[in-house]
Amino acid sequence: EAQVTQNPRYLITVTGKKLTVTCSQNMNHEYMSWYRQDPGLGLRQIYYSMNVEVTDKGDVPEGYKVSRKEKRNFPLILESPSPNQTSLYFCASTRKEYNEQFFGPGTRLTVL
Amino acid sequence: GQNIDQPTEMTATEGAIVQINCTYQTSGFNGLFWYQQHAGEAPTFLSYNVLDGLEEKGRFSSFLSRSKGYSYLLLKELQMKDSASYLCAVLDSNYQLIWGAGTKLIIKP
Repeated sequence: EAQVTQNPRYLITVTGKKLTVTCSQNMNHEYMSWYRQDPGLGLRQIYYSMNVEVTDKGDVPEGYKVSRKEKRNFPLILESPSPNQTSLYFCASTRKEYNEQFFGPGTRLTVL
Repeated sequence: GQNIDQPTEMTATEGAIVQINCTYQTSGFNGLFWYQQHAGEAPTFLSYNVLDGLEEKGRFSSFLSRSKGYSYLLLKELQMKDSASYLCAVLDSNYQLIWGAGTKLIIKP
């Protein structure tokens, strides 16, 4: 089954404790993105990757890191999480930027 | 700046028709997407318009006017399961997606 998976689905953590949210897709898509979604603000892109070893900042990259060592995986790293990073996070993949995006199920992160 | 405007919330009756509008001001245009998002779930693709006109797909249709910076999503024969948020997103000249905040659609029996 074609899908995007994310782990964990829910996470409660404390300020400053490094964490990684994994994202994997099995559709051989080149383009992958990370978004955060906050009430009233819609989806905001954090980082995107157009292919392996190619990553770029989106609209709200501060406080986040990503890597793309393999085509299928695109982890999101929060080196020192802060409460303003409490949000719902989505990973998405697509064949090309102008194609429909396939979203993972989301990760609800709470930083205390 | 780049901006996508959609109504925050709309209410409609089961079996009726509803039109959700989206207006945009972006640096360039390479297409407009509509996604559906049920509460607590991931967005799922509904439609993509790059040329002016109406695209019909079952009960859902999407219209685009590039000269007016305007699109709408038309939902016919509304069902309770259509209660969701509907997200409008525009692909700008750099092929970056600009997202609206979404329209929450409430369907009443």
